[in-house]
Amino acid sequence: DGGITQSPKYLFRKEGQNVTLSCEQNLNHDAMYWYRQDPGQGLRLIYYSQIVNDFQKGDIAEGYSVSREKKESFPLTVTSAQKNPTAFYLCASSIRPVAGGPYNEQFFGPGTRLTVL
Amino acid sequence: AQSVSQHNHHVILSEAASLELGCNYSYGGTVNLFWYVQYPGQHLQLLLKYFSGDPLVKGIKGFEAEFIKSKFSFNLRKPSVQWSDTAEYFCAVNAGAGGSYIPTFGRGTSLIVHP
Repeated sequence: DGGITQSPKYLFRKEGQNVTLSCEQNLNHDAMYWYRQDPGQGLRLIYYSQIVNDFQKGDIAEGYSVSREKKESFPLTVTSAQKNPTAFYLCASSIRPVAGGPYNEQFFGPGTRLTVL
Repeated sequence: AQSVSQHNHHVILSEAASLELGCNYSYGGTVNLFWYVQYPGQHLQLLLKYFSGDPLVKGIKGFEAEFIKSKFSFNLRKPSVQWSDTAEYFCAVNAGAGGSYIPTFGRGTSLIVHP
């Protein structure tokens, strides 16, 4: 059953702690993305990666870090430097059928809801 | 930088009413356009997309959208909504020079359909 898995579904963190959100895909997609979804603000891009061992900052990367050591995995660490980390985090992936061409639609995971206590 | 505007943040309709959700983007080059839907408790999923060709595209569940290049718009329509269409709808644009095609999403429209 192909798709994207995110774990955990709910996560609670104390202030000052770093926490890592997992994202795994078995779709063989090259590109992976992390978004933050807040009510009324849509999806805001945190980081994206178009190839293994490379990633780029999105619009709201401050206080977050990522790694892309394997094609299937793109974990997101929410650091203590993130001022307002309580949010719903979505991971996505996509593929570009032609090298250098546009990406197809994104496939999304179920999300992780992070709450900072 | 590209941006996407969705004009209707909250829409409330009765079943059988017609729906049109506005989406405008700001980017002068080649774009790929998407509408995604997030049903309550479910994953975000693709509703329809436009890459090239016929500017009127049809998606799942009777939805369609029209790409009007001169207006930088990609409005979503459905002639007769159902209660099960209650969801949040997001317009998205992939655009960029050099093949980066970084996706940008609108803020979303929350649609509530009363039975």
